[in-house]
Amino acid sequence: ILNVEQSPQSLHVQEGDSTNFTCSFPSSNFYALHWYRWETAKSPEALFVMTLNGDEKKKGRISATLNTKEGYSYLYIKGSQPEDSATYLCAFPNNAGNMLTFGGGTRLMVKP
Amino acid sequence: NAGVTQTPKFQVLKTGQSMTLQCAQDMNHEYMSWYRQDPGMGLRLIHYSVGAGITDQGEVPNGYNVSRSTTEDFPLRLLSAAPSQTSVYFCASSLATRVHYEQYFGPGTRLTVT
Repeated sequence: ILNVEQSPQSLHVQEGDSTNFTCSFPSSNFYALHWYRWETAKSPEALFVMTLNGDEKKKGRISATLNTKEGYSYLYIKGSQPEDSATYLCAFPNNAGNMLTFGGGTRLMVKP
Repeated sequence: NAGVTQTPKFQVLKTGQSMTLQCAQDMNHEYMSWYRQDPGMGLRLIHYSVGAGITDQGEVPNGYNVSRSTTEDFPLRLLSAAPSQTSVYFCASSLATRVHYEQYFGPGTRLTVT
């Protein structure tokens, strides 16, 4: 079982604040790092799949960076809105590339 | 495209009963998987399949069986339900046999075992 950790576990911010959180994963045998957004009572939806060291991806106000050598990825949300309230998950494949291990998630709550 | 569909949405079972959770996808995806989601535990992989006729165990396979007779369908069978199997179950699929591609999740099945 791979060790995929996310911090913080939860985060409360005010509307308009920018925020970021971290996913840590094993730095050896890197293949890909996934980020998902999971709203309450819905199913997880993919935000990014990142494959290259130094990669930066952006979708609207959400962006992510990747450092495979030190084993971490940051997810940034600029100018948080109440609709950004969700749990953000990262996931890391095993060596064979046939199983994903998910982190415990960061639960973001944005107050209007 | 309907994407990934799951039935039923909700189910209550008594201890010892068996049932099958259905999952289907219409995207011609090779890879399909089942996860369970428990409070404080995140998503944990139960079983996965890299194509029709090929299945393998994930992190928490005990008490569950799967089969993959077609590319589209990947049912999960609970052989003899136990209260520890009370959970929300998600089916997911992705394009390739390696999990480097994004996973598409179904809407989930909430199962309660009494």
